[in-house]
Amino acid sequence: DTEVTQTPKHLVMGMTNKKSLKCEQHMGHRAMYWYKQKAKKPPELMFVYSYEKLSINESVPSRFSPECPNSSLLNLHLHALQPEDSALYLCASSLTGTARDEQFFGPGTRLTVL
Amino acid sequence: GQQVMQIPQYQHVQEGEDFTTYCNSSTTLSNIQWYKQRPGGHPVFLIQLVKSGEVKKQKRLTFQFGEAKKNSSLHITATQTTDVGTYFCAGKGAAGNKLTFGGGTRVLVKP
Repeated sequence: DTEVTQTPKHLVMGMTNKKSLKCEQHMGHRAMYWYKQKAKKPPELMFVYSYEKLSINESVPSRFSPECPNSSLLNLHLHALQPEDSALYLCASSLTGTARDEQFFGPGTRLTVL
Repeated sequence: GQQVMQIPQYQHVQEGEDFTTYCNSSTTLSNIQWYKQRPGGHPVFLIQLVKSGEVKKQKRLTFQFGEAKKNSSLHITATQTTDVGTYFCAGKGAAGNKLTFGGGTRVLVKP
């Protein structure tokens, strides 16, 4: 299984809602990533978990809260988002979390904040 | 901080023609990766270059890492409609442990 899955595919939420994005991989990878991608822009790194510990937080606002329950699962909890947070949220995984790893991306969750 | 720039931003290519896209870093890179993202899709890993002057080929795609490890190029020969998408380079600088993505080259193919 060389796939990273993400749910939901689409999400529309209001600024007062709380929602979660989920990501799963069964490739035995020990690193998982959250990226944000705006239209016609490159993926922008948000968080990296390596061996279930948060190793990189790119100064992301606290309204985004990551969680890594185990090495196969990654969640992104959303609370009090702003319309400018609307974007494609991509999850990725890699073998160990070094910058020489090939990253496997999921299909993404397209988030719209009203 | 480290910056990775790609040119051109857009590339309109006639089917069957060749083209090259370039990736330039403000600092020396320890490695560079290339990804392709089809319209409506997600980035897919193509290749990684690590050594100075390294050249790798994948069918019609040729990837090169500059001698100074500050630039890279992707050359596609005999472009096909399946080559449509955005090509991103991503490099790691000397410090830190993360990849910095370039802005991407969006490739459109005219049949």
